[in-house]
Amino acid sequence: GENVEQHPSTLSVQEGDSAVIKCTYSDSASNYFPWYKQELGKRPQLIIDIRSNVGEKKDQRIAVTLNKTAKHFSLHITETQPEDSAVYFCAAMVSTGFQKLVFGTGTRLLVSP
Amino acid sequence: SAVISQKPSRDICQRGTSLTIQCQVDSQVTMMFWYRQQPGQSLTLIATANQGSEATYESGFVIDKFPISRPNLTFSTLTVSNMSPEDSSIYLCSVEDPQGWEETQYFGPGTRLLVL
Repeated sequence: GENVEQHPSTLSVQEGDSAVIKCTYSDSASNYFPWYKQELGKRPQLIIDIRSNVGEKKDQRIAVTLNKTAKHFSLHITETQPEDSAVYFCAAMVSTGFQKLVFGTGTRLLVSP
Repeated sequence: SAVISQKPSRDICQRGTSLTIQCQVDSQVTMMFWYRQQPGQSLTLIATANQGSEATYESGFVIDKFPISRPNLTFSTLTVSNMSPEDSSIYLCSVEDPQGWEETQYFGPGTRLLVL
């Protein structure tokens, strides 16, 4: 069935460093890939998304890249800040009669001051 | 985006009882989704609820355990029936973006359930 793998499961960086989280997906028909940030005790919040007609999208310190041939996409956070500390989930939209999101297992990012 | 609320925000229940969770949106949306997030885990889709039709359940989830209602375009309920401690989780509803791309989903604040 549909599967989204996410790595690493935990990531510790120093403030100001860059962080990269990678995901791979199995459904070659997937065409929408969102990223969510979930702080402790809060709801997942959409931070950026990308559709298959583009290879890269950037929003300030956050960027996402997509390689459809290899079926992987990545989240890049530059100049990390302590408030970036959270769990990040990638997801891929799959179509099985209707569209649904399949989520990765999550990456716990810790940014140390 | 949409403003989404859920009730209750949290509850502690006894095993064998049932709890109904409400999800309210401030805009009309076609698609509403119910997810489960077990402690320290990712999000797992329980079912998709479209107004005017039966909910579509994912593998491993059945209507008898998780009945869903979708009476109109701004409201849905999920019932967790005959609860056991294994049902202790966060239950989240999500909706498609009412004003933009239909693939985009926004989440409600969640209902934190503890079953004793």
